[in-house]
Amino acid sequence: GAGVSQTPSNKVTEKGKYVELRCDPISGHTALYWYRQSLGQGPEFLIYFQGTGAADDSGLPNDRFFAVRPEGSVSTLKIQRTERGDSAVYLCASSAQSGGGPDTQYFGPGTRLTVL
Amino acid sequence: KQEVTQIPAALSVPEGENLVLNCSFTDSAIYNLQWFRQDPGKGLTSLLLIQSSQREQTSGRLNASLDKSSGRSTLYIAASQPGDSATYLCAVLSGSARQLTFGSGTQLTVLP
Repeated sequence: GAGVSQTPSNKVTEKGKYVELRCDPISGHTALYWYRQSLGQGPEFLIYFQGTGAADDSGLPNDRFFAVRPEGSVSTLKIQRTERGDSAVYLCASSAQSGGGPDTQYFGPGTRLTVL
Repeated sequence: KQEVTQIPAALSVPEGENLVLNCSFTDSAIYNLQWFRQDPGKGLTSLLLIQSSQREQTSGRLNASLDKSSGRSTLYIAASQPGDSATYLCAVLSGSARQLTFGSGTQLTVLP
């Protein structure tokens, strides 16, 4: 596609439920990132994929959070036993990293998660 | 751990004024620095990217400078317009994961 897309745009769930957030990166981009933005704050890094593998998941807050990218394209962020503190906008970004060096990250519109 | 600070947190100016937004970061080992714009309820729009070897970048009425050794960047907006009203975020790319570390943003309001 022309840009990074994320679905759903909004998700309301109840405390304790399981949610999945999806990210479609720009076609051909090998690197994919998830960030979380709480109200009034800048986005915070969660996890970085290079191809299919999670190259760095040091930003995941706890083991309730998990992300996959099985075919090196679409990624899903999974949150188990959601808590009210998980409410935030979850942003996905992709980059080409074709030259072996850092590259511009292009962001999707985000998924606004509200845990009641 | 990289930390990014933006000052001021909020700024209100009359239309036509020139203004400067400030960003500082604690670890100078960065690949690049980006300035983003975020409109309410929207995603991030990249405005300018400065590579670590560069001193500044310009795009239209925007000019961003980078002083890596002192850990500082400024975003200069000339002849501000009401349409410039948004939150401006500074972010540095660093670390083995090449992740972006963001500041908390400056919320800009340009009054007509």
